[in-house]
Amino acid sequence: EVQLVQSGAEVKKPGESLKISCKGSAYSFTSYWIGWVRQMPGKGLEWMGIIYPGDSDTRYSPSFQGQVTISADKSISTAYLQWSSLKASDTAMYYCASLSRGIAKEYYFDYWGQGTLVTVSS
Amino acid sequence: SYELTQPPSVSVSPGQTARITCSGDALPKKYAYWYQQKSGQAPVLVIYEDSKRPSGIPERFSGSSSGTMATLTISGAQVEDDADYYCYSTDSSGNLWMFGGGTKLTVL
Repeated sequence: EVQLVQSGAEVKKPGESLKISCKGSAYSFTSYWIGWVRQMPGKGLEWMGIIYPGDSDTRYSPSFQGQVTISADKSISTAYLQWSSLKASDTAMYYCASLSRGIAKEYYFDYWGQGTLVTVSS
Repeated sequence: SYELTQPPSVSVSPGQTARITCSGDALPKKYAYWYQQKSGQAPVLVIYEDSKRPSGIPERFSGSSSGTMATLTISGAQVEDDADYYCYSTDSSGNLWMFGGGTKLTVL
């Protein structure tokens, strides 16, 4: 069964850096796009960006371009989401999810990680 | 910028049919996808490509799309269907993907 296991909850101060991870198993990690979704407290889901671990091709939502960096290490089947300088407004649950490609060549999230809660507070 | 619009809330009694809509200008040419998110849990795909149901999703969940509106229908809603539901799709270019604002379904 496909599994995506995310790193644990983080508590950070504004201005600090952070890198959270998402490890895939039981599927060909390099052959499927994997993405990140933000959910701020009490709010909806937001598409942040996706990466193709096979060649590290990365796409960002305009809302998140320049705010975060998505990367992957295919040797250990792990994707990452990182911040260089956190803000209080980055406080949220972050989900990773793998994408499947349908008949219309559209990509959609199918398998999800359990989420990583990031709290940024002074 | 492109948007997918959902009603904030829908309420039904157990056994009734719940319908959740999602409107977007590109939906006549792009598929809609639906996710269920129960409190404190990760989202789960319940409908893909407008009307297809992943394995393991109960038959009471169905989807349709007509013009600029996609609809998730839960026939005979159960208490366990009480959750937030999000539609997901892309703009006409296929480059900008997004979720709708979400609909809180209350079944009681």
